[in-house]
Amino acid sequence: GQSLEQPSEVTAVEGAIVQINCTYQTSGFYGLSWYQQHDGGAPTFLSYNALDGLEETGRFSSFLSRSDSYGYLLLQELQMKDSASYFCAAAKRGYNKLIFGAGTRLAVHP
Amino acid sequence: NAGVMQNPRHLVRRRGQEARLRCSPMKGHSHVYWYRQLPEEGLKFMVYLQKENIIDESGMPKERFSAEFPKEGPSILRIQQVVRGDSAAYFCASSPPSGGGVSYEQYFGPGTRLTVT
Repeated sequence: GQSLEQPSEVTAVEGAIVQINCTYQTSGFYGLSWYQQHDGGAPTFLSYNALDGLEETGRFSSFLSRSDSYGYLLLQELQMKDSASYFCAAAKRGYNKLIFGAGTRLAVHP
Repeated sequence: NAGVMQNPRHLVRRRGQEARLRCSPMKGHSHVYWYRQLPEEGLKFMVYLQKENIIDESGMPKERFSAEFPKEGPSILRIQQVVRGDSAAYFCASSPPSGGGVSYEQYFGPGTRLTVT
């Protein structure tokens, strides 16, 4: 089977750091992507990890540990506009599609 | 370079009618994916197409749903005899040729919100 688990909601204040975790059970796992979706909007690509370790892109970083079947998205210097849903998505070897988690709703407060 | 385009953005159908959702991928992209999203839920893969070929339809309901990506024109997701449970947001995504790898970065359209009354 294949599934991804992530917390349903996270709350943080402006300027803080928040970590959104994702555990996966995906046969033929190839890599982990992260997408952001604002209410009523389209998902937009944030980052991708194929190898273990940390990938940094501005205020956002993503981490992957294959041995633990675990990854996270780290958001620093939170801004109000970061309030959105964040999805982890697993890419499967040999399949050109993504398996999405149910999403984590991040609420950033002043 | 225009992004992924979907139309209509909102579609209202009565039970039993047909719904046709259109998707034009980004220029240069040959891979198209359709996803369905229910409120407060994640995106569920439905189908993956390349020009004139259905590559993977493992997420597509066996009945009433069909998809195509013709040589010319947009990709079409067709839902026949719609029921209330079909009400959802349908997103199309596209990616460039992956050269045998995995398209981990997909570009999503704005979605079509289907309401069945």
